[in-house]
Amino acid sequence: QQPVQSPQAVILREGEDAVINCSSSKALYSVHWYRQKHGEAPVFLMILLKGGEQKGHDKISASFNEKKQQSSLYLTASQLSYSGTYFCGTPQSLSGGSNYKLTFGKGTLLTVNP
Amino acid sequence: DAMVIQNPRYQVTQFGKPVTLSCSQTLNHNVMYWYQQKSSQAPKLLFHYYDKDFNNEADTPDNFQSRRPNTSFCFLDIRSPGLGDAAMYLCATSQTPGGAGGYTFGSGTRLTVV
Repeated sequence: QQPVQSPQAVILREGEDAVINCSSSKALYSVHWYRQKHGEAPVFLMILLKGGEQKGHDKISASFNEKKQQSSLYLTASQLSYSGTYFCGTPQSLSGGSNYKLTFGKGTLLTVNP
Repeated sequence: DAMVIQNPRYQVTQFGKPVTLSCSQTLNHNVMYWYQQKSSQAPKLLFHYYDKDFNNEADTPDNFQSRRPNTSFCFLDIRSPGLGDAAMYLCATSQTPGGAGGYTFGSGTRLTVV
């Protein structure tokens, strides 16, 4: 089942902050975050594991609330290089075993203007 | 640097003419994936291998096949490409099925069908 991301798009001026949300109707054990620039492959940002942890990557951080089955990505003091599409991905178990696949949300297009 | 390499970067094929996309990795990851990504959409999983165990998604067209002759290489064969198969094809790897360390994506192959 595909996770739901919001908003679909956001436009910022350099230095502004943004929050991107990802939620699932199924229990989450972890959440991945990726950034994809136009015409390029997705790049792994971070993974959040159950336990409500918050991780950081430069001025990009994320939180994970497994009870609410949601994760949020926080972009602080945005830079032009932050522009791109952000995807969350949620692993789903295959056949109840230890094999998983990652299903991506539809993405959030972030545009940072000077 | 350890990486995931896809060839070719751009592929133009004729309607109905078989085409093969290749992916190699130097990360020694156990799991390899093929994703299809159409414009402004999320990557959609087609196949994945956990070691030699092959999994294809229920909605992957029969027109698509995959081979993994060894740990380092994986191929995507499209037997009779249609116009609807034009997309970016992304190969990704992870050390574990749940992707605890994140997925590493190749640069992708952009397929055009004429």
